[in-house]
Amino acid sequence: EAQVTQNPRYLITVTGKKLTVTCSQNMNHEYMSWYRQDPGLGLRQIYYSMNVEVTDKGDVPEGYKVSRKEKRNFPLILESPSPNQTSLYFCASSSWAGQRSNEQFFGPGTRLTVL
Amino acid sequence: GQNIDQPTEMTATEGAIVQINCTYQTSGFNGLFWYQQHAGEAPTFLSYNVLDGLEEKGRFSSFLSRSKGYSYLLLKELQMKDSASYLCAVKGAGNNRKLIWGLGTSLAVNP
Repeated sequence: EAQVTQNPRYLITVTGKKLTVTCSQNMNHEYMSWYRQDPGLGLRQIYYSMNVEVTDKGDVPEGYKVSRKEKRNFPLILESPSPNQTSLYFCASSSWAGQRSNEQFFGPGTRLTVL
Repeated sequence: GQNIDQPTEMTATEGAIVQINCTYQTSGFNGLFWYQQHAGEAPTFLSYNVLDGLEEKGRFSSFLSRSKGYSYLLLKELQMKDSASYLCAVKGAGNNRKLIWGLGTSLAVNP
């Protein structure tokens, strides 16, 4: 089954404790992206990657890091989480080809709470 | 600046038709998307318009007017399961696949 997976789905942590949210897709997509979604603010892009070893900042990159060592994986790293990073996080991927070339497939989401 | 406007909330009755509007102002245009998002779940793709006109897909249709910076999503024969948030997103200029997202319209379908 074609899908984007994220882990963990739920995480409660404390300020300053480094964490990684994994994202993996099995559709051989070149493009991957991380979003956070907050009430009243909608989906905001954190980082994106156009292909392996190519990453760039989105609209709200502060406090986050990413890497793209393999095509299928795009982990999101919070080196020192803070309470303002409490949010619902989505990973998404899309292919270059096809009529709906920008259709993004979303992972199930990771609900993060930083105390 | 770049901006997408959608109504915040709408209410409709089961079996009825509802139209959700989206207006946009973006630097460049390379397509408009509609996604459906149930509470606490991931957005799922509904439709894509890049040329003017109406695209129909079952109970859902999407319309685009590029000259007016306007789109709507039309939902027919509403069902309770259509209660969700509907997100409008525009791909602007550039090759980075970046989507500019509206805040979404929360649709409540009542019996």
